[in-house]
Amino acid sequence: DQQVKQNSPSLSVQEGRISILNCDYTNSMFDYFLWYKKYPAEGPTFLISISSIKDKNEDGRFTVFLNKSAKHLSLHIVPSQPGDSAVYFCAASARGSQGNLIFGKGTKLSVKP
Amino acid sequence: GAVVSQHPSRVICKSGTSVKIECRSLDFQATTMFWYRQFPKQSLMLMATSNEGSKATYEQGVEKDKFLINHASLTLSTLTVTSAHPEDSSFYICSASKDGRKETQYFGPGTRLLVL
Repeated sequence: DQQVKQNSPSLSVQEGRISILNCDYTNSMFDYFLWYKKYPAEGPTFLISISSIKDKNEDGRFTVFLNKSAKHLSLHIVPSQPGDSAVYFCAASARGSQGNLIFGKGTKLSVKP
Repeated sequence: GAVVSQHPSRVICKSGTSVKIECRSLDFQATTMFWYRQFPKQSLMLMATSNEGSKATYEQGVEKDKFLINHASLTLSTLTVTSAHPEDSSFYICSASKDGRKETQYFGPGTRLLVL
């Protein structure tokens, strides 16, 4: 039973437009959410996180939105750049930043010039 | 960001043999290291958590006698897959944490294991 779901395996976006990556979760105990970015032959790297006490966190071109009632979060990248092309993983944790990470399967983003 | 390396990057072995994978934090001391496994088209799944100098904590369903973890120093953890079988073929990724926070948990590039 998948507790963190990324239902879109891939997404293609034109350079300069907005990329929206979605993530759903089922466990109401999750209180901390993170997005990771992964390039081929490299490990995932931390991108942005959000605590369940917030509904939005912004860092430059990246914004994560959390809708607790819908158990849904999304990552917005605007404007998208070709260098953003990568696999994006959503992850969730109970017990805040100290809990173990539960990952989604990832969404492959392609940003076309 | 901090660098975590893994060696080897890929390995092919015969069924019944043991394989050792190394995970090193190159420019920081890691109090905690994590081992994950990812099967094709599946999520990264945590296998075990290890703290330097103590026994690893394994997740439910992960056989501790099959997946031996040693965290002998603050910069090195090893995962040994003992008596490997074809179903152990997978992508193994380690991560190392400076201070237990997820934002400072750095992942290695992974090791592709194929058991024939």
